[in-house]
Amino acid sequence: DAKTTQPTSMDCAEGRAANLPCNHSTISGNEYVYWYRQIHSQGPQYIIHGLKNNETNEMASLIITEDRKSSTLILPHATLRDTAVYYCIVAWYSSASKIIFGSGTRLSIRP
Amino acid sequence: DSGVTQTPKHLITATGQRVTLRCSPRSGDLSVYWYQQSLDQGLQFLIQYYNGEERAKGNILERFSAQQFPDLHSELNLSSLELGDSALYFCASRRGGSSYNEQFFGPGTRLTVL
Repeated sequence: DAKTTQPTSMDCAEGRAANLPCNHSTISGNEYVYWYRQIHSQGPQYIIHGLKNNETNEMASLIITEDRKSSTLILPHATLRDTAVYYCIVAWYSSASKIIFGSGTRLSIRP
Repeated sequence: DSGVTQTPKHLITATGQRVTLRCSPRSGDLSVYWYQQSLDQGLQFLIQYYNGEERAKGNILERFSAQQFPDLHSELNLSSLELGDSALYFCASRRGGSSYNEQFFGPGTRLTVL
């Protein structure tokens, strides 16, 4: 079973920041938080990951609470191409770790 | 383009048949993962190989099997196909030994069982 809880759907206006929440209250100390997205029926795409510090890359920012029980993915300037299902995942980083995808959040960007 | 290739893109077959899906990982990636995505089940992890050896198993049926060859490409074999096996099958690869779990997904194979 997925170890994360996400809203089923969200929407955001184009050009605004999209903030996608994720709860992972049972996360263990060795588990990372990963975000992937899937546009239509394409293969999922890695976005960002973090352990306990906030992270930023060219696609998004990841804010992890101090107790690590929740996190927020931020797309700073959402575009129509960001419309996708966003998956929040917790997993170990070992080579044998599995990624368990939950239901994700369907993000719709409106013009 | 993730660098992961999957063939064929589409496959239509009948119940009871056997098919083979092929995946070529990104150059240098040692791990290959297989996932199944159906409408009612979401994205399900099936199996992982690392440098030719099975590393982790998910909800893979006994009718399904996989292997990773010395050149690191992988094949997923599905036999005694049922209507419920109709789904998108994704392969992903990852560079072994890295400190995080970024997986690069292929475009998928859409299997339709009639």
